[in-house]
Amino acid sequence: AQSVTQLDSQVPVFEEAPVELRCNYSSSVSVYLFWYVQYPNQGLQLLLKYLSGSTLVESINGFEAEFNKSQTSFHLRKPSVHISDTAEYFCAVSDQGFQKLVFGTGTRLLVSP
Amino acid sequence: NAGVMQNPRHLVRRRGQEARLRCSPMKGHSHVYWYRQLPEEGLKFMVYLQKENIIDESGMPKERFSAEFPKEGPSILRIQQVVRGDSAAYFCASSPPSEWGEKLFFGSGTQLSVL
Repeated sequence: AQSVTQLDSQVPVFEEAPVELRCNYSSSVSVYLFWYVQYPNQGLQLLLKYLSGSTLVESINGFEAEFNKSQTSFHLRKPSVHISDTAEYFCAVSDQGFQKLVFGTGTRLLVSP
Repeated sequence: NAGVMQNPRHLVRRRGQEARLRCSPMKGHSHVYWYRQLPEEGLKFMVYLQKENIIDESGMPKERFSAEFPKEGPSILRIQQVVRGDSAAYFCASSPPSEWGEKLFFGSGTQLSVL
């Protein structure tokens, strides 16, 4: 069965600093990878996804993630964070279709001035 | 266009009582999914429903848990005779019928606390 590891439960960072949130998954022949974000008191929202093609995927608000098959990783990065990026970030993987996403335990990103 | 609505946000039950969690999908969405997040764990798939049909319930505990998505009204996740181990956040998600589903729309969740 697939599993996802998010090693960092919390990442504190200052505004305008770069950040990387780590995600590793257990190996599979083919996988689909996702990052979801949960802002306070809201539901999870899709941030970006990798289905196939280019291994570097980007979101509209400056985040990017790179699919690395050899390292079974899908780390999320942003070169300069804002206070408004404070949220919980969940990495998810699927190899059985869309209804059975397997999520990591989440990483809380705390951006301070 | 309202998002996925879950209620209640918080639900407190004593051991042995029943818990009913409700989920109204986004307008036009006919697919509903329930996920559970136990403390210190990631969200885990429970069940996938379409209107009046259970498509995949492989993640549902074998006893005490049931789900439905009737022709009219919200989807209901029902937990009978709750135990402390049922304390968790329960998330509902929906997707439209024509989309592969790589973009699930999640509700804010129901936090169930069993005393």
